[in-house]
Amino acid sequence: GIQVEQSPPDLILQEGANSTLRCNFSDSVNNLQWFHQNPWGQLINLFYIPSGTKQNGRLSATTVATERYSLLYISSSQTTDSGVYFCAVIPGSARQLTFGSGTQLTVLP
Amino acid sequence: NAGVTQTPKFQVLKTGQSMTLQCAQDMNHEYMSWYRQDPGMGLRLIHYSVGAGITDQGEVPNGYNVSRSTTEDFPLRLLSAAPSQTSVYFCASSSPGQGVYEQFFGPGTRLTVL
Repeated sequence: GIQVEQSPPDLILQEGANSTLRCNFSDSVNNLQWFHQNPWGQLINLFYIPSGTKQNGRLSATTVATERYSLLYISSSQTTDSGVYFCAVIPGSARQLTFGSGTQLTVLP
Repeated sequence: NAGVTQTPKFQVLKTGQSMTLQCAQDMNHEYMSWYRQDPGMGLRLIHYSVGAGITDQGEVPNGYNVSRSTTEDFPLRLLSAAPSQTSVYFCASSSPGQGVYEQFFGPGTRLTVL
């Protein structure tokens, strides 16, 4: 099956810093989503981005489908950004998501 | 819209007990899925459905049963709970019309099997 690799596995930032999270996938995809899992366990949809670039406030994402990677940018990080960020994809032959193992982000005050 | 709802939020079972995790969505989505999340890991697919009356297995289906009698509901049944089924369970739905496969998740059910 498709492989989804996220890096880095852990990231510690000072409040106000910027960061880039990466997601590599091993096959072509119909869907790529970024999620934020907050400390209470809730999964929050950040972006649906099988290709191209999107922005939402301090967050933006870019997917280069031909090179099989996606990047999530967090600018001016806040303590509320802490949690786990997951990348998940639906490969061309499938109908459901395959998740990466996540990036644990800690933003210090 | 309430979106995707799950009940209960928490559950403790003894080994061998059975129970049903409920999932409902009010977005008229055709696709519904169940995932489990173990500590420090991403979510893994248990079962999914592409419409009422149609279900299929995911990556980790053993020990779980599903059925889909209506578009809105997709219950997950544990017939004989085992400690290995201790996990957080998420239900999701999507409507891939026009090639958009975005999935929406419920709040999760935290299950402990003793």
